[in-house]
Order: sequence, then C-alpha cells, then structure tokens
Amino acid sequence: EDQVTQSPEALRLQEGESSSLNCSYTVSGLRGLFWYRQDPGKGPEFLFTLYSAGEEKEKERLKATLTKKESFLHITAPKPEDSATYLCAVQSPTGGGNKLTFGTGTQLKVEL
Amino acid sequence: GAGVSQTPSNKVTEKGKYVELRCDPISGHTALYWYRQSLGQGPEFLIYFQGTGAADDSGLPNDRFFAVRPEGSVSTLKIQRTERGDSAVYLCASSLGPSNEQFFGPGTRLTVL
Repeated sequence: EDQVTQSPEALRLQEGESSSLNCSYTVSGLRGLFWYRQDPGKGPEFLFTLYSAGEEKEKERLKATLTKKESFLHITAPKPEDSATYLCAVQSPTGGGNKLTFGTGTQLKVEL
Repeated sequence: GAGVSQTPSNKVTEKGKYVELRCDPISGHTALYWYRQSLGQGPEFLIYFQGTGAADDSGLPNDRFFAVRPEGSVSTLKIQRTERGDSAVYLCASSLGPSNEQFFGPGTRLTVL
C-alpha cells in the first residue's frame, strides 16, 4: 500500500524566512510525485510533478526536489500570500496506477 | 479556459436521504476522478473514470456510493441512505489522460445532519 507522510504538520514563518517542507513516501514503483497548494475552502491547485530521483522544478519562490524516498518543497523568501496548505501525493502502479495517494499536508503561515 | 466545476457548492441533507453531486470536467479531459476530503486530511481516492467506464472504483467505501459518467464528460456521484459519517468535502478532478496531472474543482461540502 502506498504511504505518504508530510512534515511538519504546521509551519509559521516570518516574511523572507526561507524553509523547506518534507514529503516522505513508500510506493511499489513511483509513476509521479505531485505537489499541490490548497487554500481554505478551495480545491487543491496543481504546482509540480516530479518523476525521477534528482529531478528539480521551480516556480516563482517554490522549488521541488525528489530523491528515492522523499521530496522537498523549498520556499525562498516567502510572502504572506504563500500561506496555504501544501499537499504531496504519489501515483504508482498499485490498483491501476491512476489514483493519487495524498499526505495530510503542511499548513504554512507566513507573517509580516 | 474554464476549470473543473462542481455543483452544488454546499449540500445539507438529513440522515437517510439520497444525494447527487455533479462534476463538469475540463473540456477534452478523458480521465475523471472523485476524491473525498475530511477536515485536516488529504483527499482520499474514491473512483476513476476513463471515458464512460469506471476503470477503478476501489476507493468507494460501500455500496451506498455509486458514480456514473454516461457520455464521457459530466459525472454524477450518488450517495444513498446518507450517514453522518459521509459528511466531508467531495472533490472532483480531471486530467488529459491517466498519466497527466490532475486538476481539481472547488469541491462540494456535504453535511449530513
């Protein structure tokens, strides 16, 4: 069974204070690792897909990296508008290979 | 272009009633997914459609839950004899194909009293 564990559960940063969110996973063959952002009362918003260890992707202040056991979402010089819950999910050949298995998320709060 | 839309945005019902939740995927997306999200949790997979057929329904919790996608576009999630434990946000997602990134709708918040 695929498993995803995210840490920390909650993170409070000052504006401009860089940090990283962790996503550890256990899968029987990784098809893709996905990062989403979710604002309160809204559906998850797609950020990145990573497919193989060593891969990196960037978007504005966010950078996602992948190893064989975990992924990191690095936030550089965050702003209050980056406050949200960040969800990590994996896709594997298990059960047809199309569903996403999500972690419980990291709730990020960026303060002025 | 238009994203995934879901109706209603909120649904309050009484225990034992029947409800239908609707999802309009992004135009041209052949894959459609339903997930359920409880407070403080990540979305949990329910069912996946490729075209009109349910390719994977392993996440449906029991036979009170059923979903259809008769013309390969709009999908309806149907819940019979609702229970208080069914209260959650029901999310729909679509993707261009089964291996592509999934784009989510805003969800339907279901409350069973």
